[in-house]
Amino acid sequence: EDQVTQSPEALRLQEGESSSLNCSYTVSGLRGLFWYRQDPGKGPEFLFTLYSAGEEKEKERLKATLTKKESFLHITAPKPEDSATYLCAAGDDKIIFGKGTRLHILP
Amino acid sequence: DVKVTQSSRYLVKRTGEKVFLECVQDMDHENMFWYRQDPGLGLRLIYFSYDVKMKEKGDIPEGYSVSREKKERFSLILESASTNQTSMYLCASIPSGGLIQPQHFGDGTRLSIL
Repeated sequence: EDQVTQSPEALRLQEGESSSLNCSYTVSGLRGLFWYRQDPGKGPEFLFTLYSAGEEKEKERLKATLTKKESFLHITAPKPEDSATYLCAAGDDKIIFGKGTRLHILP
Repeated sequence: DVKVTQSSRYLVKRTGEKVFLECVQDMDHENMFWYRQDPGLGLRLIYFSYDVKMKEKGDIPEGYSVSREKKERFSLILESASTNQTSMYLCASIPSGGLIQPQHFGDGTRLSIL
């Protein structure tokens, strides 16, 4: 059965403390892996798409990477405004969402 | 920029009521989705539609139905609301070209069934 698992469930960091969020997947024939950001009371907002192992995408303090089994969302020198829930989704013929990582950046 | 609009941000209904949740997108997208999001369970697909009047069941369709009479509008219907349908409901859309694409989400409807 295809699965997408995110870890940790929650993460608290000090402002400026870099870290990584993990998304592991068991999807045969992966056709795309997606990262979203979700703020409280809002819908998910698309961040990145990764299609093949070795691919990397960057946006401001965020960098997403992909291997054959997992993806990482690296956050460099985060700021309080980076606090949100980060969702990973992956699929071959249908998309499966992970349960998300709640990230809290303390000033 | 794609805009997906859900008609209500918050909704409170009674057990047994028939409830309609509306979603409109402004980018002529063929595919539209309804999810529910619950703490600890993540996003679960209820139904999706790949064209006008066409629909497919998702992972948790029981207790729900959908309607797509116009391309831009996708409605979720709770036939007889129950307390276990209290949840955050999210609508999303993507253009044609396969289901593996970034989805554009609305801001959700937080539904409480009393």
